[in-house]
Amino acid sequence: RKEVEQDPGPFNVPEGATVAFNCTYSNSASQSFFWYRQDCRKEPKLLMSVYSSGNEDGRFTAQLNRASQYISLLIRDSKLSDSATYLCVVNKKDSSYKLIFGSGTRLLVRP
Amino acid sequence: EAQVTQNPRYLITVTGKKLTVTCSQNMNHEYMSWYRQDPGLGLRQIYYSMNVEVTDKGDVPEGYKVSRKEKRNFPLILESPSPNQTSLYFCASSLKGYNEQFFGPGTRLTVL
Repeated sequence: RKEVEQDPGPFNVPEGATVAFNCTYSNSASQSFFWYRQDCRKEPKLLMSVYSSGNEDGRFTAQLNRASQYISLLIRDSKLSDSATYLCVVNKKDSSYKLIFGSGTRLLVRP
Repeated sequence: EAQVTQNPRYLITVTGKKLTVTCSQNMNHEYMSWYRQDPGLGLRQIYYSMNVEVTDKGDVPEGYKVSRKEKRNFPLILESPSPNQTSLYFCASSLKGYNEQFFGPGTRLTVL
């Protein structure tokens, strides 16, 4: 089983739609969770951290479910500019504290 | 401006010709890391460094070397590049290993 798993998509949605991505992780000891956005051939950029209580940033809402070991990202009122690949990132809580990146979910927002 | 820089951005080379990709950050971060990204495989960690003079292997370290003599710099060295090292390489840094990481713009390497 992969340490971090995401549906690769693509999710093809019209402008204005609401879309949700899930990501599952295998290490129950993980403590840090993030969503990154990556545009084609560009560097990943932090979209938002994910907190235990859930958090919202404008049109974006992130949730953490520790019991089921998954995190989610909800995008409301999709814009064309939201088209990108969304990477789920979880820390590997061992002596290295390194981050594990999912392979990403591709989102295409059409006019 | 807080940033991670990488050089070169693009490089075409031949098998066996040693090369170094530089990475520098100006955020006083302790943790730095190198990744490669290949289609369908996502980001895979090559090497990382928890602090100066502390480096460790990631998931795909074969064929690569790193050093961390100063806090701001973390060069990636390919002693004898091979075609299977053709990839998009990213350097990243964070305050500590479990914080959000900031990425450099990437280096596209082609080994012929």
